Amino acid sequence: DAMVIQNPRYQVTQFGKPVTLSCSQTLNHNVMYWYQQKSSQAPKLLFHYYDKDFNNEADTPDNFQSRRPNTSFCFLDIRSPGLGDAAMYLCATSRGRGVGYTFGSGTRLTVV
Amino acid sequence: QQQVKQSPQSLIVQKGGISIINCAYENTAFDYFPWYQQFPGKGPALLIAIRPDVSEKKEGRFTISFNKSAKQFSLHIMDSQPGDSATYFCAASIENYGQNFVFGPGTRLSVLP
Repeated sequence: DAMVIQNPRYQVTQFGKPVTLSCSQTLNHNVMYWYQQKSSQAPKLLFHYYDKDFNNEADTPDNFQSRRPNTSFCFLDIRSPGLGDAAMYLCATSRGRGVGYTFGSGTRLTVV
Repeated sequence: QQQVKQSPQSLIVQKGGISIINCAYENTAFDYFPWYQQFPGKGPALLIAIRPDVSEKKEGRFTISFNKSAKQFSLHIMDSQPGDSATYFCAASIENYGQNFVFGPGTRLSVLP
């Protein structure tokens, strides 16, 4: 089945230690998104790639970076995680912007 | 202008009842309105979506009602089941402009057996 896969499902990292979350898709969608979702809140868009074109949200901290080496994979790098970065990180894809998002199951990040 | 308001924040319904969640928006350029269902520990999943050229869309027990003049849309879940217990997010986007989704804050639905 075509899908969006996130690894790992759960990630524990130390305060200030760089961490990378990964996302892969078999849908061949042009757009890949990274969202941060904190408890009982709506997903918050961090950035997205339209093909190789990177689009950062204005309020996304510099601590968050992303890479998309090819159509299928996208990575979220958190350079120096703080306690406030503990959240569920969701990857999503779509064929074009603004329609038909498919979300992965998320990675739950804990910062200790 | 970019906000999507959603109510109620939480909802408790008896099994077999009707669940109704409401959303409102300001930006008249929005032209795509999806609803997402999210179970604990899972990513959101597209439930049903509507475009402003129709006033209602039904898929099984789920119906979206859309009121363009009032800039409101709602999700109705008929014959609600305990398995429907989840958080529901409405969203809006400008599909033709390729604008990303704006999500509402979510409604936590609990359906009692």
